[in-house]
Amino acid sequence: SYELTQPPSVSVSPGQTARITCSGDALPKNHAYWYQQKSGQAPVLVIYEDSKRPSGIPERFSGSSSGTMATLTVSGAQVEDEADYYCYSTDSSGNHRGVFGGGTKLTVL
Amino acid sequence: QVQLVQSGAEVKKPGASVKVSCKASGYIFSNYYIHWVRQAPGQGLEWMGIINPSAGSTSYAQKFHGKFTMTRDTSTRTVYMELSSLTSEDTAVYYCGAHDPPFDYWGQGTLVTVSS
Repeated sequence: SYELTQPPSVSVSPGQTARITCSGDALPKNHAYWYQQKSGQAPVLVIYEDSKRPSGIPERFSGSSSGTMATLTVSGAQVEDEADYYCYSTDSSGNHRGVFGGGTKLTVL
Repeated sequence: QVQLVQSGAEVKKPGASVKVSCKASGYIFSNYYIHWVRQAPGQGLEWMGIINPSAGSTSYAQKFHGKFTMTRDTSTRTVYMELSSLTSEDTAVYYCGAHDPPFDYWGQGTLVTVSS
């Protein structure tokens, strides 16, 4: 079955730039989406279609994709950005089958 | 405003089935596919399946074929998921989500606990 691979953890100091990667064989053909999840809460979409930011999401969140890797960048990370981040995409079946990456714990301290 | 409201927590014995509902409001129900995602304690998000509320067509993650069923009732704007032959590994929070970005809304989650 299709898989997306993320690093388990990323750690930065406040004000630094955090980069979280997501690799998958179908990413050249299918968009990547990024979700933020804080403890005990439902996930929140922070990036869609590789690089678009929903309204209400701070500009410090950005996304990019090249080949089989998508990247979420948090520029000038703040303490409140500490959370789990998941990439999401679809497989190549054309049946809307989705898959999440394993998640990355972003620590800002 | 857009809301997805899920049914309450469930406790089930191994081998039983569970049915969770997800009631949509505040948008045109037929316009957006609904996903089901689960999260076991301390684990990541796991995609389970998707239903087209208009046509009723479904697509399932291979892992859940035969164990997981999604249905919808357009008259009540409600989507249902049913999980059968429960084991302790099915203990998780189950989320429904309407995902067609930038339109992206989630239910509050339903805890399903499987315990003898």
